Amino acid sequence: GQNIDQPTEMTATEGAIVQINCTYQTSGFNGLFWYQQHAGEAPTFLSYNVLDGLEEKGRFSSFLSRSKGYSYLLLKELQMKDSASYLCAMVDSNYQLIWGAGTKLIIKP
Amino acid sequence: GAGVSQTPSNKVTEKGKYVELRCDPISGHTALYWYRQSLGQGPEFLIYFQGTGAADDSGLPNDRFFAVRPEGSVSTLKIQRTERGDSAVYLCASSSTGTGTDTQYFGPGTRLTVL
Repeated sequence: GQNIDQPTEMTATEGAIVQINCTYQTSGFNGLFWYQQHAGEAPTFLSYNVLDGLEEKGRFSSFLSRSKGYSYLLLKELQMKDSASYLCAMVDSNYQLIWGAGTKLIIKP
Repeated sequence: GAGVSQTPSNKVTEKGKYVELRCDPISGHTALYWYRQSLGQGPEFLIYFQGTGAADDSGLPNDRFFAVRPEGSVSTLKIQRTERGDSAVYLCASSSTGTGTDTQYFGPGTRLTVL
């Protein structure tokens, strides 16, 4: 079957670094997305990984290991506005997105 | 440029009533998706259109749910005989080609409350 897991909630301090993990199980894999969703708003695209390795985009980086079924989103120099839910979603063999439940990130001053 | 828009932003209805939710995708995007999202959950796939046709409607929970996209642009999600369990935020997304690995751009959602 298919499954995707991420922690429910994480807390971090303004200015620090946080890593949000996502693990998945699937028989077919065509990449993994990370989206950010502020409370009451629509999800917005952050990154897409299909090859192993780290992709850096400003303060945000995303990592993928296909052999381990594992991805993480790394947020550096945290700002209060980074308080949001972070959703990982894998693209399955039918090219359909399978979504995790999201990780609520709380940033404290 | 204009993003994905959805109307209404909020809809309160009574159990048993019929509702229509509208989505206006990004101009030129051929793929359109409907999801629903409950509090603390990720989006749950409902239906995907490629142009005017429903390419995948496997996520529609039952025959009370139906969606159309008659001209390949605006889409309407229709829910008959609403139930309290239908209460959720209904999200629409569009992408340029719908290849699955294409980035989906989401609208602000319609919050449906069934009393």
